[in-house]
Amino acid sequence: EIVLTQSPGTLSLSPGDRATLSCRANQSVSSSYLAWFQQKPGQAPRLLIYSASSRASGIPDRFRGSGSGTVTDFTLTISRLEPEDFAVYYCQQFLSSPWTFGQGTKVEIK
Amino acid sequence: EVQLVESGGGLVQPEGSLRLSCATSGFNFNTYWMTWVRQAPGKGLEWVANINEDGSEQNYVDSVKGRFTISRDNAKNSVYLQMTSLRVEDTAVYFCARNEPWLEFWGQGTLVSVSS
Repeated sequence: EIVLTQSPGTLSLSPGDRATLSCRANQSVSSSYLAWFQQKPGQAPRLLIYSASSRASGIPDRFRGSGSGTVTDFTLTISRLEPEDFAVYYCQQFLSSPWTFGQGTKVEIK
Repeated sequence: EVQLVESGGGLVQPEGSLRLSCATSGFNFNTYWMTWVRQAPGKGLEWVANINEDGSEQNYVDSVKGRFTISRDNAKNSVYLQMTSLRVEDTAVYFCARNEPWLEFWGQGTLVSVSS
């Protein structure tokens, strides 16, 4: 099973700050099979990034995913935090079954 | 517009059964894999199961193997999750999602509570 470890657990930042979220896998994952989601309380997850670096439809360009090839480290960067960006973020791999999610990073207002 | 609507959640006793449904519209259902994901109260996301386009292939997380069955009815544009021998730790909001293979479209979720 591919285990994804996200860090940090919580990120306390202010609007306008840059957020850098990490997702590390316990074995190599092709970047084609790595996605990032945003979730707000009481809502379904929202796809932000697929194939490690491709933004989903309607996602603003302040969200950027990185990690290419077959690697263990992936990053989600939010260049300038907007008030609506404070939420929990998950990475997920769909390379092999069971598909797995990281435990999440909460981005909270400082 | 792509829509996924889950139903069938509720309160059930341990060892009980429940069948979740996910009704879809707005896309060619029979050309997509479908997935169930759950989220226990205050916890993270957990992939549960997925099923291929014609229902001939299913995959499950180990914790539900032998207890849950994913199925689909392409004539009704719906996917199902039959849950048996439910445990307290199965308490969660269950979401269905469409595979792209990434999970772009999700339903709003249905709550399953397992308690005596």
